[in-house]
Amino acid sequence: EADIYQTPRYLVIGTGKKITLECSQTMGHDKMYWYQQDPGMELHLIHYSYGVNSTEKGDLSSESTVSRIRTEHFPLTLESARPSHTSQYLCASSEWGRAEAFFGQGTRLTVV
Amino acid sequence: KNEVEQSPQNLTAQEGEFITINCSYSVGISALHWLQQHPGGGIVSLFMLSSGKKKHGRLIATINIQEKHSSLHITASHPRDSAVYICAVETSGSRLTFGEGTQLTVNP
Repeated sequence: EADIYQTPRYLVIGTGKKITLECSQTMGHDKMYWYQQDPGMELHLIHYSYGVNSTEKGDLSSESTVSRIRTEHFPLTLESARPSHTSQYLCASSEWGRAEAFFGQGTRLTVV
Repeated sequence: KNEVEQSPQNLTAQEGEFITINCSYSVGISALHWLQQHPGGGIVSLFMLSSGKKKHGRLIATINIQEKHSSLHITASHPRDSAVYICAVETSGSRLTFGEGTQLTVNP
């Protein structure tokens, strides 16, 4: 059973609000990822981290930001939410030297 | 053209049928993953392959590195197998590139 958790599972929020999506894993994985998935579409990497104080932008441009102050925690923040940010956000982690990725349950974000 | 192509995009089967989902890719990879995504959005990793074949219960995954092709088979399909099945290839730096997914519906 994967020990990676995302909160909240569902979020409906008004335009202009600041939001933080939480992702935590208890497996001690150095590598963590955020993916964005629009309905019926493939996942796209928006941020990744290879360890504490390491963050990089992914393949898909995103207005969100991330931080990695602790190994187990990789929050994603939107400073000012817009309807175009409506999507599902999936967090994942993996271990150095192993390819298997563990995914969180996802956060389905709706900005109205 | 996507680097990872899956077929079919949608698949409806009757319970008990043998199911095959295909994945073709156009880049060099270090591994290929098959993932299962349920309607609630949660994703489960089914297989990670770098060569040959793997089996887990009723699920079988194969990969042909020379042909850049992988297949996921489900034997004796069941309605609880209904989900989106996603192929993802791992390239340098452990980056994953995903296919668009195959929506499988298994009717009782």
